[in-house]
Amino acid sequence: GIQVEQSPPDLILQEGANSTLRCNFSDSVNNLQWFHQNPWGQLINLFYIPSGTKQNGRLSATTVATERYSLLYISSSQTTDSGVYFCAVALMDSNYQLIWGAGTKLIIKP
Amino acid sequence: GAVVSQHPSRVICKSGTSVKIECRSLDFQATTMFWYRQFPKQSLMLMATSNEGSKATYEQGVEKDKFLINHASLTLSTLTVTSAHPEDSSFYICSARDSTLNTEAFFGQGTRLTVV
Repeated sequence: GIQVEQSPPDLILQEGANSTLRCNFSDSVNNLQWFHQNPWGQLINLFYIPSGTKQNGRLSATTVATERYSLLYISSSQTTDSGVYFCAVALMDSNYQLIWGAGTKLIIKP
Repeated sequence: GAVVSQHPSRVICKSGTSVKIECRSLDFQATTMFWYRQFPKQSLMLMATSNEGSKATYEQGVEKDKFLINHASLTLSTLTVTSAHPEDSSFYICSARDSTLNTEAFFGQGTRLTVV
């Protein structure tokens, strides 16, 4: 089945810094999503981005489907950005069952 | 975005009792919902796919009789942990997609279950 790898596994930054999180996947996908899991466990949808580039405030994401990777950019990090960032992919013929990466744990220090 | 409401957010129960967790899609219809379990410092593990009006599809290693799933309507799926034991303590999360759009999945707030 599809493998999803995220890097780095852990990232510690000072407030105000920029960061790039990467998600590699092993096969063509119909669906790719980025999530932020906050300290209370809530999964927050960041981007639905099977291909192309999207931006939402300080966050942006790019998926290069032909090369099977996606990048999540966080600019001017804030302490509230801390948490775990997950990438998940799905295939249409799998009933859109999401395959999850292991996540990147981001800590933003004040 | 679409809203998925999961209740309760936190529950403590005694060993041997059963606990029901509800997952509702508030502003869309979902023929399919998913139930996940998450262990500390790990990613989400799919337990089962809940299909409206039919039996759930369980992942390998998930006990059907312990984790009962009912998807009686297009907006509600329930997960009942039967005869709970301390090893069932975990974080359970549901998700749903808008059946008419077939795009992104949205997640409930999660339920922290502690069995004492």
